Amino acid sequence: EELLVESGGGLIQPGGSLRLACTGSGINIMANYMSWVRQAPGKGLEWVSVTHDGGYSHYTDSVKGRFTISRDRSRNTLYLQMDKLRPADTAFYFCARGGGGPNPSNFAAFDIWGQGTMVTVSS
Amino acid sequence: DIQLTQSPSLLSASVGDRVTITCRASQHISVHLAWYQQKPGKAPKLLIHGASSLQSGVPSRFSGSGSGTEFTLSISSLQPEDFATYYCQQLNWYPLSFGPGTKLEIK
Repeated sequence: EELLVESGGGLIQPGGSLRLACTGSGINIMANYMSWVRQAPGKGLEWVSVTHDGGYSHYTDSVKGRFTISRDRSRNTLYLQMDKLRPADTAFYFCARGGGGPNPSNFAAFDIWGQGTMVTVSS
Repeated sequence: DIQLTQSPSLLSASVGDRVTITCRASQHISVHLAWYQQKPGKAPKLLIHGASSLQSGVPSRFSGSGSGTEFTLSISSLQPEDFATYYCQQLNWYPLSFGPGTKLEIK
């Protein structure tokens, strides 16, 4: 069974940092385009970032310069390093497989999702 | 950036009804559109990709159509488990974006 499990969420003060992790089981994190998506309480889905092998990554404008997506081959884990956190970053964060491809006509839809981890930014 | 709108935002229907949700893109996105279903407290589930391709394991009562800037998701005969929120997503270029969602509730 292909599974993604997130961890690392919690309560953090504004301006603080947090690192989320997403570990794959039955999925090779390194061989796929991997994304982070967030959902503020009671709100819709917002794509955050995507990465693929070779240092390729993209971010939504509101997190550029503050969030960094990365992967660890030995742990088969995707990360999202979140710095300079703001109350507006409060959300449930999901990792998902998909979000890219060799060219736009091949961008893969998000077919496997983790269960999510909650990040609350508040003083 | 590509903006997506969905209509209606709230849809009330009964078991057995046929319903249609519309997603419109602010720019031409060919068929680079996906549809997801989300239930409270759960991760989204992929239903349709490439505007009209049914994801493996998804019941055939779900169908998608459209290209360019206008797309639809249809459910041919609503089942109790279909009451949820539905999102479209464009996969044409970065930043990827989702529509605001359509909540399908029981009438």
